[in-house]
Amino acid sequence: GAGVSQTPSNKVTEKGKYVELRCDPISGHTALYWYRQSLGQGPEFLIYFQGTGAADDSGLPNDRFFAVRPEGSVSTLKIQRTERGDSAVYLCASSFGEDQPQHFGDGTRLSIL
Amino acid sequence: QKEVEQNSGPLSVPEGAIASLNCTYSDRGSQSFFWYRQYSGKSPELIMSIYSNGDKEDGRFTAQLNKASQYVSLLIRDSQPSDSATYLCAVRYSSASKIIFGSGTRLSIRP
Repeated sequence: GAGVSQTPSNKVTEKGKYVELRCDPISGHTALYWYRQSLGQGPEFLIYFQGTGAADDSGLPNDRFFAVRPEGSVSTLKIQRTERGDSAVYLCASSFGEDQPQHFGDGTRLSIL
Repeated sequence: QKEVEQNSGPLSVPEGAIASLNCTYSDRGSQSFFWYRQYSGKSPELIMSIYSNGDKEDGRFTAQLNKASQYVSLLIRDSQPSDSATYLCAVRYSSASKIIFGSGTRLSIRP
């Protein structure tokens, strides 16, 4: 596709459930980033991939959060045992290289009831 | 202390005037600086990047960087109502590191 695609656009689930958020980057972009944005705040870095490997996962808040990018393209952010505090917009961005501008998807709005 | 600081606003500017948005950062070794625009309910959109001290102009936008003062700003000339949005300042320490965002400044252009 022409831009970064994120699915689902909205996800509502109950506390304690497992969720998976998907990001399909721009074709040819080797770097992929996950952010979390709460209302009134800027995006908060979670993890970024260069190719298949996680180059920096220092932003993942705890071991309930995990992300993969097995073939160096699509990435999945996985959240186990969701908590109400996980509610936020999860943004994915990709770039042609690590030092190139990042292009954001429309985000997944996650609501934990 | 937050790594990237912005005044949350709202900053109200009359149409046609210059809007000035400011940002300070704490890591003196930071190398790359970005301004993103975010409309309500939408994702951030890159509008300017700057890497060297001084000014960089692109259309109605000018980014200014002063590494000695750890300060980066964005000027918007001839402000239009469509410029009303939240402007996010973002900083990267090195080419292979994460980008840190500020909380954003909400800009409102009044007709």
